[in-house]
Amino acid sequence: NAGVMQNPRHLVRRRGQEARLRCSPMKGHSHVYWYRQLPEEGLKFMVYLQKENIIDESGMPKERFSAEFPKEGPSILRIQQVVRGDSAAYFCASSPRTIDEQYFGPGTRLTVT
Amino acid sequence: AQSVTQPDIHITVSEGASLELRCNYSYGATPYLFWYVQSPGQGLQLLLKYFSGDTLVQGIKGFEAEFKRSQSSFNLRKPSVHWSDAAEYFCAVGDFVGGGADGLTFGKGTHLIIQP
Repeated sequence: NAGVMQNPRHLVRRRGQEARLRCSPMKGHSHVYWYRQLPEEGLKFMVYLQKENIIDESGMPKERFSAEFPKEGPSILRIQQVVRGDSAAYFCASSPRTIDEQYFGPGTRLTVT
Repeated sequence: AQSVTQPDIHITVSEGASLELRCNYSYGATPYLFWYVQSPGQGLQLLLKYFSGDTLVQGIKGFEAEFKRSQSSFNLRKPSVHWSDAAEYFCAVGDFVGGGADGLTFGKGTHLIIQP
């Protein structure tokens, strides 16, 4: 059973460009979570999605950030008009049910130049 | 809102020595607690979890953790560390009250260094 897949693993964007991060959950998992890890800090929750629904986006910045988990295909975290402060590692996790452990992907390391 | 404190930013231990990483949480109800490990440039791997039942939980790689409600702690232990244990360790708490689920709340991590 393949683990959580994230791509790209590394992404470089210039200020003002858009960044699209993809996450394919483990087979059979319908719960997806996105986290951001800044240097010297732990992981911060951003958004929790189920298929076609955003359940909780309380950790997501109000502007420029959006997430989706369509009926078919991977979950996408989209950052518009990136700024230097968006440089971070972005991790996706999936879970098979509401109350359970979360399985993490390898992360996407975003660098904004 | 829940919070997690890992008081030790760095810990250095000699190979073969015992290890204890501290974790304190703040949460109103019975917490769901986790320890994850992260190697450089990698994702997080679950070491162990506590949902209910026996307060001493066993995990992978020889790790164990003890839930102490009176101290709001969930410390991670290993009797004898190996050089391959050098990594970043994160304690986390989950909020599943009411059957809903939110993201996990993580501590800032403890960086474990193993001396030969």
